[in-house]
Amino acid sequence: GAGVSQSPRYKVAKRGQDVALRCDPISGHVSLFWYQQALGQGPEFLTYFQNEAQLDKSGLPSDRFFAERPEGSVSTLKIQRTQQEDSAVYLCASSLAGQGSYEQYFGPGTRLTVT
Amino acid sequence: AQSVTQLGSHVSVSEGALVLLRCNYSSSVPPYLFWYVQYPNQGLQLLLKYTTGATLVKGINGFEAEFKKSETSFHLTKPSAHMSDAAEYFCAVSDLSGGGADGLTFGKGTHLIIQP
Repeated sequence: GAGVSQSPRYKVAKRGQDVALRCDPISGHVSLFWYQQALGQGPEFLTYFQNEAQLDKSGLPSDRFFAERPEGSVSTLKIQRTQQEDSAVYLCASSLAGQGSYEQYFGPGTRLTVT
Repeated sequence: AQSVTQLGSHVSVSEGALVLLRCNYSSSVPPYLFWYVQYPNQGLQLLLKYTTGATLVKGINGFEAEFKKSETSFHLTKPSAHMSDAAEYFCAVSDLSGGGADGLTFGKGTHLIIQP
């Protein structure tokens, strides 16, 4: 079956521009996660949704970062007024909710370059 | 708070040799532990996970890892390296404080190089 997809795969933005990154999770997966992976680093947690509810946004680095999942499936990560330090790969992952299933399935990521 | 330490940002082994990638964690509660592999320009793929039960877990592509609570370790091994194993490997931990759907805490990764 189809895995997690993300678009665009690559995005170049000028400093100060707003960007929107899309994630299509695996059908039926209730949980959705966003991570930020800087060059040469491991992914860092940004935010988590269960269905349409954003249950944890403790990892969002600033109020310029905003995520939504209005219908409990597709999610969008928006970054306003991008800065050079926002350059990274943004990974989306989804998983089944409930006991016994803790595996997160990752998409290929969106590589954001802010110039 | 939880953390993951991967010893060695780069590990080089000869094809056919033993692969050993080290991971130590800290967690205030019994953790769930994961190893992911990342190939260039791709997302992360789960190699194996420890949740409960047997502490030696087997994963895909011949990899296995052993959870050692006393050493707070979850080292990844493979008896015989193959050229296709060259990739970035990440150890991750979840403490399940969110009821089973937590964001993972990752180590910084180990780049595995296979020498022909």
